Amino acid sequence: GDSVTQMEGPVTLSEEAFLTINCTYTATGYPSLFWYVQYPGEGLQLLLKATKADDKGSNKGFEATYRKETTSFHLEKGSVQVSDSAVYFCALRTLSGNTPLVFGKGTRLSVIA
Amino acid sequence: GAVVSQHPSWVICKSGTSVKIECRSLDFQATTMFWYRQFPKQSLMLMATSNEGSKATYEQGVEKDKFLINHASLTLSTLTVTSAHPEDSSFYICLARGGGGQGANSPLHFGNGTRLTVT
Repeated sequence: GDSVTQMEGPVTLSEEAFLTINCTYTATGYPSLFWYVQYPGEGLQLLLKATKADDKGSNKGFEATYRKETTSFHLEKGSVQVSDSAVYFCALRTLSGNTPLVFGKGTRLSVIA
Repeated sequence: GAVVSQHPSWVICKSGTSVKIECRSLDFQATTMFWYRQFPKQSLMLMATSNEGSKATYEQGVEKDKFLINHASLTLSTLTVTSAHPEDSSFYICLARGGGGQGANSPLHFGNGTRLTVT
């Protein structure tokens, strides 16, 4: 079945450091790919998405490129801030029947000043 | 944009009691509602899928008699945790599909989640 694998955390970075969170997927067909963010005590928010190969999703300084050849959707940010501390989930969605979002296990990011 | 209102945002209940969680789509029709559960520091696990007017489909290992799902209208779905026990303490979140597109192409919208603590 469809699955998402993302790097395990926690990840601790200093402010202004470069961030990469790896995400790879397995899916039949051509999924849409997403990154969601969950701040402490809150629900999930869509951070960015890409719906086809070579698309780049971007938001709030975060970017991820849909790489079909490597089945990857790595999240990057050039300079993290303390306010970016959260849990980040990679997810995929295929358009077959009732298929909902399939999530990775999440990566906790802590940014220290 | 489309909004899903989930209530309550947190609840503490005694063991043996039942708790009802509601998700309402405020400005669109949610043809399908997915219910997820998230244990502390873990990912979201799909519990069940419900289509308006139909019985919910439960994932393997989820007790349908314990987690009652009702999706009686296109704007309201409820999850009732019956005879709750401490091990049911978790973060429950709904995901609504609807508000544009057709079928599986319709957008997805999360509720803000409900943190349940059973004492």
